[in-house]
Amino acid sequence: EPEVTQTPSHQVTQMGQEVILRCVPISNHLYFYWYRQILGQKVEFLVSFYNNEISEKSEIFDDQFSVERPDGSNFTLKIRSTKLEDSAMYFCASSDRGLGTGELFFGEGSRLTVL
Amino acid sequence: GQSLEQPSEVTAVEGAIVQINCTYQTSGFYGLSWYQQHDGGAPTFLSYNALDGLEETGRFSSFLSRSDSYGYLLLQELQMKDSASYFCAVRDLGSSASKIIFGSGTRLSIRP
Repeated sequence: EPEVTQTPSHQVTQMGQEVILRCVPISNHLYFYWYRQILGQKVEFLVSFYNNEISEKSEIFDDQFSVERPDGSNFTLKIRSTKLEDSAMYFCASSDRGLGTGELFFGEGSRLTVL
Repeated sequence: GQSLEQPSEVTAVEGAIVQINCTYQTSGFYGLSWYQQHDGGAPTFLSYNALDGLEETGRFSSFLSRSDSYGYLLLQELQMKDSASYFCAVRDLGSSASKIIFGSGTRLSIRP
C-alpha cells in the first residue's frame, strides 16, 4: 500500500540552527501539507502546497519557515534559526483531488527537539 | 476563524459503545472528518461526512448535522486497541487547495 515517508524520524538541534525535514508523498497525489503537533496537543496546520506553490499557510508559518519541492518526489520543510518552541512532531501529509473525501494520508512524523 | 469543540477525555468499558461529539464553527464548511491517533503514531483517517446523516464503516460510524454544526463518532464493540486519541476535523476551503483543521482531540481510555 502506498504511504507517505518522512525523514529523519528524530532530529535534535541547537537553538538557532537550521533544520530540513523531508517527505516523500504518495506518488500520484497532488496536494501536500505540513502539520505540527506539540506533545499532547492538537494537530496544527502549517502550510498546503499545490502546483509547485504555497496554497495556504497558517499564522504559525512565518518567515522562519519555507517549503520546497526540489524534484518530482520530495517535499521539504525548512526551519531557519530554530527556537525552543519549535520542538514538536512535524507531520507531512498528502491527498489527491483536493480532499474530495476529506482524507489526508499522513507520514509517521519527524520529531524535532530544539535544545 | 475556525473552532472545533470536543471532549478532552472519555473512558469506556471493553465491549461497550461510546460516542464522541464534535461541534464546529467555520467560515466555510465542506465536510467533517474523523482521525484516530495512537500514542507516538500518525493520525489515520477514519471517516468523512459531507452530507447530513450517518456513515457506517464496520464498528465505527460517523454522523453529521450541518444545520446544528454538529457531528459525532460512534465506536461499537470497543476493543482495547481502540484506546487512542480521536480528532474531528473540518475541511475548510482555502484558495486553490482545501485544508483540514483539527480539533483538540478526545483521549479515549478503555477499561477491561
